[in-house]
Amino acid sequence: SYELTQPPSVSVSPGQTARITCSGDALPKKYAYWYQQKSGQAPVLVIYEDSKRPSGIPERFSGSSSGTMATLTISGAQVEDEADYYCYSTDSSGNHNYVFGTGTKVTVL
Amino acid sequence: QVQLQESGPGLVKPSGTLSLTCAVSGGSISSSNWWSWVRQPPGKGLEWIGEIYHSGSTNYNPSLKSRVTISVDKSKNQFSLKLSSVTAADTAVYYCGYLPTIWGQGTLVTVSS
Repeated sequence: SYELTQPPSVSVSPGQTARITCSGDALPKKYAYWYQQKSGQAPVLVIYEDSKRPSGIPERFSGSSSGTMATLTISGAQVEDEADYYCYSTDSSGNHNYVFGTGTKVTVL
Repeated sequence: QVQLQESGPGLVKPSGTLSLTCAVSGGSISSSNWWSWVRQPPGKGLEWIGEIYHSGSTNYNPSLKSRVTISVDKSKNQFSLKLSSVTAADTAVYYCGYLPTIWGQGTLVTVSS
């Protein structure tokens, strides 16, 4: 089955840059989406179609994709950015088989 | 703005069937989009369960396909999830979604006798 692999954890100091990677074989052909999930809450979309930012998401959140890796960057991380982050995409079969990444806990301290 | 609300029993017995409904408000379920179910076991990551189009077409996670049925009721503007033969491993917060953007608040379903 298709997998999207993320690092389990990333730590960053306030004001510094955090980068979260998502690795998957189909990413050269399929968009990556990124979700932020704070404790006890539903996920919130922070990046769609690799690099687009939904309305209301701070500009410090950006996304990129190259080859088999997508990256979520938080530039100037804030304490309130501490959360779990998941990438989301589909495999290359064309069968609508969606998958979430393994998840990354971002700690800002 | 579309809003989603999950409802259903919070406790299901092992070997039974989990049944949840997602009520859609602020929009029509007959809009051109897929409606999804996602779950998250306590302390673990997100798992895509499947999706349905208003026409009734479905796609399921291969790992759950044999136990999952997603259906739509256009007259009530809602869609539903059934998961059969449940075990403790199916204990999770279940979310319905208008992915990638809109999620329900989630509902915890515990499988226990």
